[in-house]
Amino acid sequence: DQQVKQNSPSLSVQEGRISILNCDYTNSMFDYFLWYKKYPAEGPTFLISISSIKDKNEDGRFTVFLNKSAKHLSLHIVPSQPGDSAVYFCAASAKRGGADGLTFGKGTHLIIQP
Amino acid sequence: KAGVTQTPRYLIKTRGQQVTLSCSPISGHRSVSWYQQTPGQGLQFLFEYFSETQRNKGNFPGRFSGRQFSNSRSEMNVSTLELGDSALYLCASSLAPTGAEQYFGPGTRLTVT
Repeated sequence: DQQVKQNSPSLSVQEGRISILNCDYTNSMFDYFLWYKKYPAEGPTFLISISSIKDKNEDGRFTVFLNKSAKHLSLHIVPSQPGDSAVYFCAASAKRGGADGLTFGKGTHLIIQP
Repeated sequence: KAGVTQTPRYLIKTRGQQVTLSCSPISGHRSVSWYQQTPGQGLQFLFEYFSETQRNKGNFPGRFSGRQFSNSRSEMNVSTLELGDSALYLCASSLAPTGAEQYFGPGTRLTVT
């Protein structure tokens, strides 16, 4: 049973436009969410995170939105650049600093078209 | 600051053998987690160590084990290898136990033939 779902295996966006990656979760105990980016043959790289006490967190071109009532979060990348082409993983944790491992979605392959 | 390092990067083993993978966390990080990545299952949590103690374990058989040393370096062991154990094994370190931002190594690609 997948507790973190990324329903779009791939997404193609034109360079300069906004990329929106979506993630849904089912476990209401999750209270900390993270986005990771992964290039082939490398480990995932931490991008941005958000605590459940917030509904938005920004870091440069990356913004994460959290809608707790819908159990949905999204990552916005504005403007999209060719180097953003990668697989993006959404991850969730039941308690920040707690004893549960991160639960990952299966990833969305973002392709930025020139 | 050096990142998380994993050795070896690539490994080929045959069924029934055992394997040990190594992970050196970022300096100052005391928490090390291990994940298995396969095309079908994505990234799955194996276990986490903090201050040499296993804090949590994912849903994997007992053939998968690990340990952490006093310098925070960690090893993962898989005994009696099966074909299905072929995967990318990723190690991640963080300052605090699970839930904080984790920083991943490049992984060890294990192929079981």
